[in-house]
This record gives sequence, C-alpha cells and structure tokens, in this order.
Amino acid sequence: EAQVTQNPRYLITVTGKKLTVTCSQNMNHEYMSWYRQDPGLGLRQIYYSMNVEVTDKGDVPEGYKVSRKEKRNFPLILESPSPNQTSLYFCASRKDNYNEQFFGPGTRLTVL
Amino acid sequence: GNSVTQMEGPVTLSEEAFLTINCTYTATGYPSLFWYVQYPGEGLQLLLKATKADDKGSNKGFEATYRKETTSFHLEKGSVQVSDSAVYFCALNTGFQKLVFGTGTRLLVSP
Repeated sequence: EAQVTQNPRYLITVTGKKLTVTCSQNMNHEYMSWYRQDPGLGLRQIYYSMNVEVTDKGDVPEGYKVSRKEKRNFPLILESPSPNQTSLYFCASRKDNYNEQFFGPGTRLTVL
Repeated sequence: GNSVTQMEGPVTLSEEAFLTINCTYTATGYPSLFWYVQYPGEGLQLLLKATKADDKGSNKGFEATYRKETTSFHLEKGSVQVSDSAVYFCALNTGFQKLVFGTGTRLLVSP
C-alpha cells in the first residue's frame, strides 16, 4: 500500500530535550515536506526536500532541522524544543512539483 | 504573494443539505488548485483538483470549478452525509516547492 508513515504519532516532552520525528514514504517520491498545523493558521511548511541531500527552508523553519540521506526518509529534528513548538506535524511526499501531495497521519507534539 | 482565503467555520448542516465552502486565491502565474479533507484524527487526503481555468474537479459527490475570472474554487456538494463531517482545506500550487493552504473550514453534519 502506498503510504507515508510517521513516528511517533503522539509525543509529550520537556523543553530542551532533543527529539526526532521520523517520516518514511514507499512511493519513490522525489519531493518531501514537513508542515505544522495550528488552529486558525492552517498548514505551514517547515522544510522541504527536492531530492537526496537537497533541502531548503519553508515558511517557519526556526527551531527545526531536517536531513535527507535516503530518498524514502525525511526526519524532522528539534534540537531544543520549546513550548511554542507544540503542534500537529505532518510529513508529505509527492512525485514531482505538480502532482498531489500524500500526507502522513500526523504527529501530535506537546512540549512542556 | 500567493495566498488562499477560505470561509470561516464551522459550517453546520443537516443531512441531505446543500454544501458550499467558499475559497478564493491570489497567485502569480497559473496555479493548480486542490481541495483536501481531514477526517478526525487523520492526515489530509486529496479530495479533488483542477489544473487550469474552467476545469471542474469532482470526487465522492463533491465538485469545484476553477474560475480564473473570480479567482475562486468553491467546493459544493448537493446532499451531505454525516460521514462528510471533517475539515476541508483549499490549497494552491504554483509549481514552486510547496502547497499554500487556507486555514481550513470545519463541516459538521447532523442526522
């Protein structure tokens, strides 16, 4: 089954404790992105990647890092999480620049 | 810049009522337009899309027509069901590296 998977689905952590949210897709897609979803703000792009070793900032990259060492994986790293990073995070992938995005199920992160 | 404006929610309807969720956009170039749906506890799924002016996207009884003259892509359904309760997002893609999303409209359908 074609899908985007994320782990964990739920995470509660404390300020400053480094964490990684994994994302994997099995569709051989070139493009991958991370979004955060906040009430009243819709979805905002954090980072995106056009291919292995090619990443760039989206609209709200502060406090986040990403890497793309393999085509299928695109982890999101919070080196020192803060409470304003409490949000619902989605990973997405697509074949190319004009096709639909496929979204993962989301990771709900709470930073205390 | 590129942006999408959706009507505020929630939209509350009775089963079998007619649905319209308004979406207007501002974009450079010739964007593709999308409606995504998010069911409770799930990620977003593509509902329908249109890639050029006057195209009509349709799926599961939902329709939306790409109106370049009014820069709109309103979502409609003739008869909603309880199972349509979800959050609906309008989005555009100008060919750069991201989708631009509206803020989402929650639909609540009661029996």
